[in-house]
Amino acid sequence: ETGVTQTPRHLVMGMTNKKSLKCEQHLGHNAMYWYKQSAKKPLELMFVYNFKEQTENNSVPSRFSPECPNSSHLFLHLHTLQPEDSALYLCASSQEHGEKLFFGSGTQLSVL
Amino acid sequence: GQQLNQSPQSMFIQEGEDVSMNCTSSSIFNTWLWYKQDPGEGPVLLIALYKAGELTSNGRLTAQFGITRKDSFLNISASIPSDVGIYFCAGRPASGTYKYIFGTGTRLKVLA
Repeated sequence: ETGVTQTPRHLVMGMTNKKSLKCEQHLGHNAMYWYKQSAKKPLELMFVYNFKEQTENNSVPSRFSPECPNSSHLFLHLHTLQPEDSALYLCASSQEHGEKLFFGSGTQLSVL
Repeated sequence: GQQLNQSPQSMFIQEGEDVSMNCTSSSIFNTWLWYKQDPGEGPVLLIALYKAGELTSNGRLTAQFGITRKDSFLNISASIPSDVGIYFCAGRPASGTYKYIFGTGTRLKVLA
């Protein structure tokens, strides 16, 4: 248990669906992140929030929409995804920007 | 862009053997993190390194921050079957960014 909880663990969706991924951290951290993990590729940073404010959008397509209502919760809203968006989506948190990252278990997403 | 070269990509070893892996770059880093990821799970932080030359242990795992600040090493002594998984390095460049760069991972398989 890393203190970062992600739901759902698995998600299968069609290209026309709308779904949301949820992340909650119980570590009292101020920064939260979304990463994408695809096979044979390094982790790709998608979004960063620091004290609820978005500080990074790493050229992510608009079909991915993050939301951070408070420092403990982070959402990733998904709509009209493509099959190539199938991947493991990992949430992470850190005490401050640039400090060591603690990851959740991820959501394995399959887009059909 | 900055890259981390992690090697080897995969290893098959006998139980009881020692394991070594490393991450190298042409850039200088301020922080190195080592993670282990089991199938279907998120990366779990093993060791964090903050100073050139630093040597830190976590049980049978030992990691070092290279003195050139361009590399880091992870050693596992007396491997056991539960060491199976993918090991990732992550480095925070000294260029002032708070963002980590991740290696592509070393897949370790232990034969009993």
